[in-house]
Amino acid sequence: AQSVTQPDIHITVSEGASLELRCNYSYGATPYLFWYVQSPGQGLQLLLKYFSGDTLVQGIKGFEAEFKRSQSSFNLRKPSVHWSDAAEYFCAVGAGDTGRRALTFGSGTRLQVQP
Amino acid sequence: DAGVIQSPRHEVTEMGQEVTLRCKPISGHNSLFWYRQTMMRGLELLIYFNNNVPIDDSGMPEDRFSAKMPNASFSTLKIQPSEPRDSAVYFCASSPHSRDETQYFGPGTRLLVL
Repeated sequence: AQSVTQPDIHITVSEGASLELRCNYSYGATPYLFWYVQSPGQGLQLLLKYFSGDTLVQGIKGFEAEFKRSQSSFNLRKPSVHWSDAAEYFCAVGAGDTGRRALTFGSGTRLQVQP
Repeated sequence: DAGVIQSPRHEVTEMGQEVTLRCKPISGHNSLFWYRQTMMRGLELLIYFNNNVPIDDSGMPEDRFSAKMPNASFSTLKIQPSEPRDSAVYFCASSPHSRDETQYFGPGTRLLVL
């Protein structure tokens, strides 16, 4: 079974600083990987996804993520954080070729942005 | 284009009462998922449907929980009887029929059982 680890529960960065949120997954085959963002009181919004091909994927709101098979990682990055990026971020993995359509989510990383 | 619609958005009830949560998936999507989110356990998959058929209900906590999908545009999650430990945010998500496993989430129902 697949699993996802987000080692950082809470991260604080200054506005304008760069950001990297870590995600490690466990899955035997090529995974489908996702990053979602959840603002307070809201549902989850898809930021970006990786299925195959280019390992660097671009998403909405200026986010990008890089799939590194050798490290089983899919870290999320943004070069310059805005105050509106404060939210909780979830990494998720899908079972891809097994046909099982459910995603497994990490425990989330809460991002705080200081002015 | 409307996203996933959930109702009610907030529900406050007393222990022992029946609670019914509703979800309308995005038109044309053939997979539907129910999740529960709590501080202690994070985001948990309760059950999911493909083409209105329940595929995996291993996440349903116990017999007090039941879910139905009578047609492609409607699903319910019922808790009977409700207990305080059921207090959580319940999300519905849908996914299109394709290799794409992207799930689109509704705004959630915040349930408080007193």
